[in-house]
Amino acid sequence: QKEVEQNSGPLSVPEGAIASLNCTYSDRVSQSFFWYRQYSGKSPELIMSIYSNGDKEDGRFTAQLNKASQYVSLLIRDSQPSDSATYLCAVMDSSYKLIFGSGTRLLVRP
Amino acid sequence: KAGVTQTPRYLIKTRGQQVTLSCSPISGHRSVSWYQQTPGQGLQFLFEYFSETQRNKGNFPGRFSGRQFSNSRSEMNVSTLELGDSALYLCASSLVTGPGETQYFGPGTRLLVL
Repeated sequence: QKEVEQNSGPLSVPEGAIASLNCTYSDRVSQSFFWYRQYSGKSPELIMSIYSNGDKEDGRFTAQLNKASQYVSLLIRDSQPSDSATYLCAVMDSSYKLIFGSGTRLLVRP
Repeated sequence: KAGVTQTPRYLIKTRGQQVTLSCSPISGHRSVSWYQQTPGQGLQFLFEYFSETQRNKGNFPGRFSGRQFSNSRSEMNVSTLELGDSALYLCASSLVTGPGETQYFGPGTRLLVL
């Protein structure tokens, strides 16, 4: 069974701090990785995708991928209370299905 | 460009009934995937359609079925509803099926089975 693991949290950080969200996956052949944000009662919205080892930056968000360690992370700089949400890590398997982690709940304290 | 739309947004049914949910993908997107989200199981893949053909199927019983029309709109059907089918049903669309293709989610249909 292909798995995607995330710490459920909550991860609590003060406003302005860096929030670090982590995800590990079991399928070594996975090539595409996604981070979605989901506010309570809403549907997931895409934050970033990453396909190559290393870092990918988009505004306050940086995704990091290490395929050798089967690890993908999301850093949120200058965290804002509006970033408080559940962050879902998704890994595309060899049949192009998205396998989701259970999500990490982030709480940014004003 | 309009996003993914799903109807209805909310639905209440009783055990044993059946339900049909509808999804209209982003214009130009030909792939539609369906997911079930529950507090206990998280987001689980149901099935994916591309060009009117089911390309992938998750581990759900045969009571869950779907189809896609020539305009890429998709429907999913759940027959003989059970209490455990209460969930948020999400539809996601992408241009095609393939590596790295980003899926964009609709607002979901929240189904409550009594």
